[in-house]
Amino acid sequence: NAGVTQTPKFQVLKTGQSMTLQCAQDMNHEYMSWYRQDPGMGLRLIHYSVGAGITDQGEVPNGYNVSRSTTEDFPLRLLSAAPSQTSVYFCASSYRDRETDTQYFGPGTRLTVL
Amino acid sequence: KQEVTQIPAALSVPEGENLVLNCSFTDSAIYNLQWFRQDPGKGLTSLLLIQSSQREQTSGRLNASLDKSSGRSTLYIAASQPGDSATYLCAPLSNFGNEKLTFGTGTRLTIIP
Repeated sequence: NAGVTQTPKFQVLKTGQSMTLQCAQDMNHEYMSWYRQDPGMGLRLIHYSVGAGITDQGEVPNGYNVSRSTTEDFPLRLLSAAPSQTSVYFCASSYRDRETDTQYFGPGTRLTVL
Repeated sequence: KQEVTQIPAALSVPEGENLVLNCSFTDSAIYNLQWFRQDPGKGLTSLLLIQSSQREQTSGRLNASLDKSSGRSTLYIAASQPGDSATYLCAPLSNFGNEKLTFGTGTRLTIIP
């Protein structure tokens, strides 16, 4: 299994540009989520999905869109990039057994918005 | 709102020592608590998961404990090695409302050879 994969690894955008961060998992996990990690603030949840066709907002959803058309893929869209969205983005997945689930994280996408 | 604190923020110890990392959280309504390891420039790797009904979990030289009522968890690392150098993050999974992991800012551990 490849686990959780993310592309690209690095990206530089100009303010106002849009882009999609890709996330895929091959473990048939129902639950997928996106986090951003900023210095001194820990990881914060952006959006999450409990299955194909179902998404919901996390702690910091503004400026981001998601969709979940398949179990495997959970792309994150930046509609109009802003410097405040400079961060490292992590995708994670797990089964939905709340008591025992281990979250598996991708390697991250480092995004810089100029 | 769940808040997670990890103390200390950074720790340096000589190789071979035993050490304890601390995690405290404000809301005891959790399904589980996970400890993760993050190497510089990398993603997170799950080390241990403690279910809310458990008191501790062990994996090799790692032992994590959970006291849900007091909102505390510890990660004990025995016989530390230079390869243990990384940032360690704890994250309780809340079972109220928007179920999600809440992360602390981590403890950056350096093992001195």
